[in-house]
Amino acid sequence: SQTIHQWPATLVQPVGSPLSLECTVEGTSNPNLYWYRQAAGRGLQLLFYSVGIGQISSEVPQNLSASRPQDRQFILSSKKLLLSDSGFYLCAWSVQQGRHEQYFGPGTRLTVT
Amino acid sequence: GEDVEQSLFLSVREGDSSVINCTYTDSSSTYLYWYKQEPGAGLQLLTYIFSNMDMKQDQRLTVLLNKKDKHLSLRIADTQTGDSAIYFCAERKTGANNLFFGTGTRLTVIP
Repeated sequence: SQTIHQWPATLVQPVGSPLSLECTVEGTSNPNLYWYRQAAGRGLQLLFYSVGIGQISSEVPQNLSASRPQDRQFILSSKKLLLSDSGFYLCAWSVQQGRHEQYFGPGTRLTVT
Repeated sequence: GEDVEQSLFLSVREGDSSVINCTYTDSSSTYLYWYKQEPGAGLQLLTYIFSNMDMKQDQRLTVLLNKKDKHLSLRIADTQTGDSAIYFCAERKTGANNLFFGTGTRLTVIP
């Protein structure tokens, strides 16, 4: 069966510090991968998605970047965090064909102080 | 409209039925989904419906789809306190690699 991992689970970082959040998927090959941000426990904002290694699509101009160095690894980064980067970050995967339903990781709660 | 819309809040008494509504945007969307998010957790896929179906039932969950009005609903029978969560609908638009999510409906079940 497939599983998706995110770490860390929680993170408190000062303004201006760098960020690296990691997401890995097991039990599937060549998945689509997604990063979302959820502010204040409400709606999802799609940040990035990837259909393959090194292929990243950015949905929203922002202070963040994403990379996919391996097939089942997706990394969200920032060089300098802003207060507005605080939120709940969710990684998800889907198969590339068929229904495209997405399966979500447990999330990372980021607080920028 | 351009956004998938949902009511923000719904309160029901334990044992009653809950109906969560969603209006989506693309009449040619092929699949529509319902997700559940418990506090502090990721989203869990509850069910989906293919666009050529009007209804799908899965135990206590019933999904109704009205393609003409682009309206999707999720009915939870015999609602329990464990059903308290945020529920998101999502659509897969034609040609898109990603899903488009609604704003979420926070369901509160009153004992």
